[in-house]
Amino acid sequence: EDKVVQSPLSLVVHEGDTVTLNCSYEVTNFRSLLWYKQEKKAPTFLFMLTSSGIEKKSGRLSSILDKKELSSILNITATQTGDSAIYLCAVKGAQKLVFGQGTRLTINP
Amino acid sequence: GAVVSQHPSRVICKSGTSVKIECRSLDFQATTMFWYRQFPKQSLMLMATSNEGSKATYEQGVEKDKFLINHASLTLSTLTVTSAHPEDSSFYICSATSEWRIGSLGNQPQHFGDGTRLSIL
Repeated sequence: EDKVVQSPLSLVVHEGDTVTLNCSYEVTNFRSLLWYKQEKKAPTFLFMLTSSGIEKKSGRLSSILDKKELSSILNITATQTGDSAIYLCAVKGAQKLVFGQGTRLTINP
Repeated sequence: GAVVSQHPSRVICKSGTSVKIECRSLDFQATTMFWYRQFPKQSLMLMATSNEGSKATYEQGVEKDKFLINHASLTLSTLTVTSAHPEDSSFYICSATSEWRIGSLGNQPQHFGDGTRLSIL
């Protein structure tokens, strides 16, 4: 059965810190890996990764995929209180998108 | 960016009522739409996948007669929770993609609606 595991499940840091969120997967016929940010409502799309080793960057957020290790990381530098959210990793296999449990990130001022 | 609109955002109704939730893609043609359910502090659980013009594919354990899905056009899918009971109370989220079919290259991300919080009394 396809599986996506995120770590840590919860993380509390101070504003300005840098954080790294992890995602590992076991998926049949891997197509792509996606990162989403979920605040009070539904998830908003951050990144989609299909190729290993190519970093995607958007402002203070960046992500990279390692197909050999079946994993991805999401980095957030110079964190702000507005970065507090649940970060979801999802992997597209042959049939559907499989979500991890999410990492609940809290940024304290 | 791609926009998916979901309506209503919140529903409170009595047990036995049927509730319809709409999901619209506003600026792209959504060949495939997905319906998820999310329990508090848990991740998204896929309920069903629908391609425009064909019957929805339901995940194991999801009652298709209970959760009716219609995807009649490239911009609209609806989920009807029939004869809702308190255990159906949850956060329902739709997503849409312009991928032609499930199992394709996977190069189009899913975009989510804002979700519907359903409370059955």
